[in-house]
Amino acid sequence: DVKVTQSSRYLVKRTGEKVFLECVQDMDHENMFWYRQDPGLGLRLIYFSYDVKMKEKGDIPEGYSVSREKKERFSLILESASTNQTSMYLCASSLWRGNSPLHFGNGTRLTVT
Amino acid sequence: LAKTTQPISMDSYEGQEVNITCSHNNIATNDYITWYQQFPSQGPRFIIQGYKTKVTNEVASLFIPADRKSSTLSLPRVSLSDTAVYYCLVGDGVNQGGKLIFGQGTELSVKP
Repeated sequence: DVKVTQSSRYLVKRTGEKVFLECVQDMDHENMFWYRQDPGLGLRLIYFSYDVKMKEKGDIPEGYSVSREKKERFSLILESASTNQTSMYLCASSLWRGNSPLHFGNGTRLTVT
Repeated sequence: LAKTTQPISMDSYEGQEVNITCSHNNIATNDYITWYQQFPSQGPRFIIQGYKTKVTNEVASLFIPADRKSSTLSLPRVSLSDTAVYYCLVGDGVNQGGKLIFGQGTELSVKP
């Protein structure tokens, strides 16, 4: 069974801090995704990656960057955290083929104070 | 990218069959239709996927009419544990460069 592991379940950071959210998958999936989920707004795609060192912007990339140095690991970076980045962050992975379902981690609830 | 429209919420009672319909008028030829279930404080979980006609697995059935402009997720005999948010996703990860967009989802509440 595919396992997507997010390094932290809960995280509290201060405004202006640099924040790293880590995600690891164990099924050799090519695609990896970062979403954020907010009440009333659903899941919104921040960035995705279809290969090592490759990245593509999603719908809301502003204020975020990503890193994929190894196939199994996809990091989301908040360069300077702000209170409007308080949210649930969800990582997912999938095979490259078009109909491959997404496999999600359990999320990181980030609070920026 | 195909936009999806679902009811915001639905109520049901234990033992009933629940049908959740998703509209996707601009679905493309290569697009698949995928449904996910999400419980509070967890990531979404894959339920079922189809391209046309009907698909059934141990959890649900998916009905897709010939024009593929809508799809219906059918949950037989729901229980309290089926209370969750259900998302319909339409897309083809390859042709869209991997970009898969979620809609707002349908919040299903199952009552005793």
